[in-house]
Amino acid sequence: DGGITQSPKYLFRKEGQNVTLSCEQNLNHDAMYWYRQDPGQGLRLIYYSQIVNDFQKGDIAEGYSVSREKKESFPLTVTSAQKNPTAFYLCASSIALVNEQFFGPGTRLTVL
Amino acid sequence: KNQVEQSPQSLIILEGKNCTLQCNYTVSPFSNLRWYKQDTGRGPVSLTIMTFSENTKSNGRYTATLDADTKQSSLHITASQLSDSASYICVVRQTGANNLFFGTGTRLTVIP
Repeated sequence: DGGITQSPKYLFRKEGQNVTLSCEQNLNHDAMYWYRQDPGQGLRLIYYSQIVNDFQKGDIAEGYSVSREKKESFPLTVTSAQKNPTAFYLCASSIALVNEQFFGPGTRLTVL
Repeated sequence: KNQVEQSPQSLIILEGKNCTLQCNYTVSPFSNLRWYKQDTGRGPVSLTIMTFSENTKSNGRYTATLDADTKQSSLHITASQLSDSASYICVVRQTGANNLFFGTGTRLTVIP
């Protein structure tokens, strides 16, 4: 069953704690992305990776970090430096940067 | 400034009725425009993609139009079903920089 998965679906953390969101794909896609979705706003790009061991900041990278050690995996860490981390986080992947992006089911992070 | 604006913000229609969602953009240079459907708490799924030379494209009960001169697109849903209840997001890709610009979406609710 090919696709892109995110875990967990819901995540609760206390303020000041770092938290890592998982994103895995078995589509053999080179490019992967992280977006943040807030009510009433369009998706905003946090980080993207064109290929393994490479990643670039998106529009709102402050307070976030990523790694791309494997083609299949692109975890996102929300650090304590992120001022307003409560949001719905979407991971996506594509064959290359110019191709259609396929989205995972999302992780809803709530910081208490 | 590159922007994507969608209207209306929300829409409620009776099951079986038709509706049309609008997307206006100022993104330049234009590469393509894609409509996504996003069910609540899920990731977006692509419905259709429109390139510069395409005026109309259908996907089942969904028909997208594009007027590249006026920079407008519409998504028409025919004979709506309860399962059409979702957010519909318009996304425009820019050539050259290969950036994506997301609209804030139209929230459609179909009631019996």
